[in-house]
Amino acid sequence: LAKTTQPISMDSYEGQEVNITCSHNNIATNDYITWYQQFPSQGPRFIIQGYKTKVTNEVASLFIPADRKSSTLSLPRVSLSDTAVYYCLVGAPLSGNTPLVFGKGTRLSVIA
Amino acid sequence: DGGITQSPKYLFRKEGQNVTLSCEQNLNHDAMYWYRQDPGQGLRLIYYSQIVNDFQKGDIAEGYSVSREKKESFPLTVTSAQKNPTAFYLCASSIDQGTYEQYFGPGTRLTVT
Repeated sequence: LAKTTQPISMDSYEGQEVNITCSHNNIATNDYITWYQQFPSQGPRFIIQGYKTKVTNEVASLFIPADRKSSTLSLPRVSLSDTAVYYCLVGAPLSGNTPLVFGKGTRLSVIA
Repeated sequence: DGGITQSPKYLFRKEGQNVTLSCEQNLNHDAMYWYRQDPGQGLRLIYYSQIVNDFQKGDIAEGYSVSREKKESFPLTVTSAQKNPTAFYLCASSIDQGTYEQYFGPGTRLTVT
């Protein structure tokens, strides 16, 4: 599985857009990029998944450049309730290989 | 409501005792997973199962055992051989292993003294 690198922590004020970048230089052709959110003492929650270009849903947007060596999770107008750890994962879900590998993630703190 | 349940939320045991953590899902998912999370760390995979009566070791299977006798249930036993069992244990499921969209339970916090 491709290794990912994310910032350990980020701070943001309420109402701002937050962009969390994940580096995955060794991403393989069949790999997808998946992001999860985890609140304290809860299980992670799937946010978004993409392969290339841009994916948007009601929670976030995922931007993936053409070389796919990095990706950016964008959270529009964050609120205090967005304070959580965000995990970037890369892998080929259809390959039947070992499933998800969660790193330490990025701890986002939203300040009033 | 469909979802994953784990019980109990908090569990305390004495060192040397085996303990079984429950995980049940009513999502009709084929694949189920067990993860361990230590403070400030990410999740580490213990065991996973793609189908009933089949399971595979994850990255840190030593000291743990599982069974998958029913599609809905995937209990995890933490044995006395696990050297550092105190942790937050998370169970998850997905439609099958061909997707990375996993649904997680609320977790069980195990403390062994």
